[in-house]
Amino acid sequence: GAVVSQHPSWVICKSGTSVKIECRSLDFQATTMFWYRQFPKQSLMLMATSNEGSKATYEQGVEKDKFLINHASLTLSTLTVTSAHPEDSSFYICSAVDGTGMEKLFFGSGTQLSVL
Amino acid sequence: GESVGLHLPTLSVQEGDNSIINCAYSNSASDYFIWYKQESGKGPQFIIDIRSNMDKRQGQRVTVLLNKTVKHLSLQIAATQPGDSAVYFCAEYSSASKIIFGSGTRLSIRP
Repeated sequence: GAVVSQHPSWVICKSGTSVKIECRSLDFQATTMFWYRQFPKQSLMLMATSNEGSKATYEQGVEKDKFLINHASLTLSTLTVTSAHPEDSSFYICSAVDGTGMEKLFFGSGTQLSVL
Repeated sequence: GESVGLHLPTLSVQEGDNSIINCAYSNSASDYFIWYKQESGKGPQFIIDIRSNMDKRQGQRVTVLLNKTVKHLSLQIAATQPGDSAVYFCAEYSSASKIIFGSGTRLSIRP
């Protein structure tokens, strides 16, 4: 089946630094990718929808200047958490659609971000 | 606004029994629903889906039921096994072309 690779799986950083998370579709072209964040014991909250070659669409309440999303190719989207603070510590998950419909939505394994 | 919620946050089931996880949704225009399983520290894993033109769909040991009249979904797991322990989410494909997740139910299995 289709595979979405997310890297890194965990990262620890100092407050004020930036962290980049990569999401790759390994065996299909992903015209659309989604980024979610998940706090402990809570559901996945959609942050933004990323379309290849265009600007990401952010959900209400998500700061686009803090969470920079780039979808420069059909197989790669990146999420950069800029000037990270402890409250940004969370589990970030990406997902990708292979272009043939939402029935083919695949998730990455997630990135646990801890900001000290 | 759109929302998908679950009736029970936790569910404890005896090994070998059937599990039933419920979910309510609010957007009557939604036409596609998915159940996901998430194990600790991992991304969601697709279990089964159903379109709004169906009221039942079966997979291997799992069945999804859809009641559009009351906007209710359920996931039934037959002969629950220890490996079924996880958090289960229902999700709704909204008209805005995005997947919105419900609040989740943690399923624990008693030996």
